[in-house]
Amino acid sequence: KQEVTQIPAALSVPEGENLVLNCSFTDSAIYNLQWFRQDPGKGLTSLLLIQSSQREQTSGRLNASLDKSSGRSTLYIAASQPGDSATYLCAVRWNYGQNFVFGPGTRLSVLP
Amino acid sequence: NAGVTQTPKFRILKIGQSMTLQCAQDMNHNYMYWYRQDPGMGLKLIYYSVGAGITDKGEVPNGYNVSRSTTEDFPLRLELAAPSQTSVYFCASSYPSGANVLTFGAGSRLTVL
Repeated sequence: KQEVTQIPAALSVPEGENLVLNCSFTDSAIYNLQWFRQDPGKGLTSLLLIQSSQREQTSGRLNASLDKSSGRSTLYIAASQPGDSATYLCAVRWNYGQNFVFGPGTRLSVLP
Repeated sequence: NAGVTQTPKFRILKIGQSMTLQCAQDMNHNYMYWYRQDPGMGLKLIYYSVGAGITDKGEVPNGYNVSRSTTEDFPLRLELAAPSQTSVYFCASSYPSGANVLTFGAGSRLTVL
């Protein structure tokens, strides 16, 4: 069965820290993986998309890596800010399907 | 503005009523999706469509129906609403291949009493 898990479920850090969010998936035959941000009561905003052939993608203070062989992706946030507080979700599309499977998310709080 | 538009944003239904959640996109995306998100949970796929006239079930399709008569529109029909269908519903769309970033609507919050 296609499954996506995320650890930790929640994370609280002081402002300025670098942090890592983890996403694990079953079956390495993925097409791509996306990271999203969701603010409370809002929709999802795409942060980064990593194609199956790529190892990482960067956007500003965000860096996402992909290791298909171990079934893992990490989202690295540098110099965290209170405005980064949100829930971060990863979603995987496998080669043999057209849909995306989401993880449960990591709720991040960055304290001033 | 280009994107995915969902209506209504909020709705309260009584048990047994029916309604349709509307979703429209103006990006000429082939793929469209309906997800539901329960409190504190990730998103679960209800139905999806890879093009006009083609739909398929996702993980949690029971109690719902969809149609895709045009590329732009993908309405979700709730028949005989039940309290278990209280949730936030998200519509999304993407291109079928390449850097197919999934673009989401703002969501529709449904309460069934």
